Amino acid sequence: DAGITQSPRHKVTETGTPVTLRCHQTENHRYMYWYRQDPGHGLRLIHYSYGVKDTDKGEVSDGYSVSRSKTEDFLLTLESATSSQTSVYFCAISVGGAPYNEQFFGPGTRLTVL
Amino acid sequence: AQSVTQPDIHITVSEGASLELRCNYSYGATPYLFWYVQSPGQGLQLLLKYFSGDTLVQGIKGFEAEFKRSQSSFNLRKPSVHWSDAAEYFCAVGAQNDYKLSFGAGTTVTVRA
Repeated sequence: DAGITQSPRHKVTETGTPVTLRCHQTENHRYMYWYRQDPGHGLRLIHYSYGVKDTDKGEVSDGYSVSRSKTEDFLLTLESATSSQTSVYFCAISVGGAPYNEQFFGPGTRLTVL
Repeated sequence: AQSVTQPDIHITVSEGASLELRCNYSYGATPYLFWYVQSPGQGLQLLLKYFSGDTLVQGIKGFEAEFKRSQSSFNLRKPSVHWSDAAEYFCAVGAQNDYKLSFGAGTTVTVRA
């Protein structure tokens, strides 16, 4: 499972509140990713990181920010949660030292915004 | 940029029957291709991958996929499905010098007894 954990696993919050999701890996992989999964859309990339303090936007980055101050942790923050951000969020890492290698996924976080 | 299409949203198959899931990609150069499976309530698990070489790729759980450049396809097959194969399947494409994978919308497989 590539040693990926996500916390929390489930969260219910209210519109307008900030939310931070954490992804932790134990194997010092360089590349880390945040996706959201919604029915009919598959997985869509929110943000990714290619090293400590090196991050970039994915295809659905509006309303989200990320930080990576340590190799092992990649944080996703919803600055002011909206109902449209209700989703399942997956963290992933890319193994093999190259970004286009296969990705391994964490167990996911189910977020509900009321 | 690369993209993936999975034409079938939902497939129902009888236990013991064969299964084929379609995946079409769009990318100008040689793609890196992947199939993932997601059981209900679970994360994604890698079934198999194609980078280069033999166009018929074997994966876990008895799955295989064939890369056909002329058809821009990477279809997933299994000769005889088991009830435990009921899941959602995602095709993904990557490219050299790109940090990202692009995923298809997924195909849900239902297995009937």
